[in-house]
Amino acid sequence: GAGVSQSPRYKVAKRGQDVALRCDPISGHVSLFWYQQALGQGPEFLTYFQNEAQLDKSGLPSDRFFAERPEGSVSTLKIQRTQQEDSAVYLCASSLDLGEQYFGPGTRLTVT
Amino acid sequence: EDQVTQSPEALRLQEGESSSLNCSYTVSGLRGLFWYRQDPGKGPEFLFTLYSAGEEKEKERLKATLTKKESFLHITAPKPEDSATYLCAVKFSNYQLIWGAGTKLIIKP
Repeated sequence: GAGVSQSPRYKVAKRGQDVALRCDPISGHVSLFWYQQALGQGPEFLTYFQNEAQLDKSGLPSDRFFAERPEGSVSTLKIQRTQQEDSAVYLCASSLDLGEQYFGPGTRLTVT
Repeated sequence: EDQVTQSPEALRLQEGESSSLNCSYTVSGLRGLFWYRQDPGKGPEFLFTLYSAGEEKEKERLKATLTKKESFLHITAPKPEDSATYLCAVKFSNYQLIWGAGTKLIIKP
């Protein structure tokens, strides 16, 4: 079956631009997570959705980061006024029952 | 402070040379420990979940074990295609995971 998909796979943004990253979770998965991964590090938690409800956004680095999942399926992570320190791989994962999480391929964001 | 530490950072083995990767944790109220494999340019791929000390899981050349303070990922007679970064993550709440930095495994033919 189809796994988690993310788009775009690569994004280059000039400092100050807004970006939007999309995640299509596995069909029927209630839980959705966003992570940020720096080179050579494990994923860092950003935010968690249960259906359309954002239950935890404690990992979002600043108020420039915003995530939504309006219909409980596709999710978008938006970063406003991008900064160089936002350069990273952004991973999306979904889970059926808060057991194992299944990851998408990630979006590599480079801010120049 | 809740923490997950993986060692070694990198491990180079010859094909067929068995070894183990370590994941130690200081987390109160463990609700599960997960092992993932990550290839360059890809997202982590789920391997195993362990829930209680003494539990073991196997898949092909990999076996994961769990104690109260650490987990081991044993790799037996590895092949070059086993080369990847292996990540462990500890679940300490209903949904939150703390991740280690990973062990980069290189298997030379």
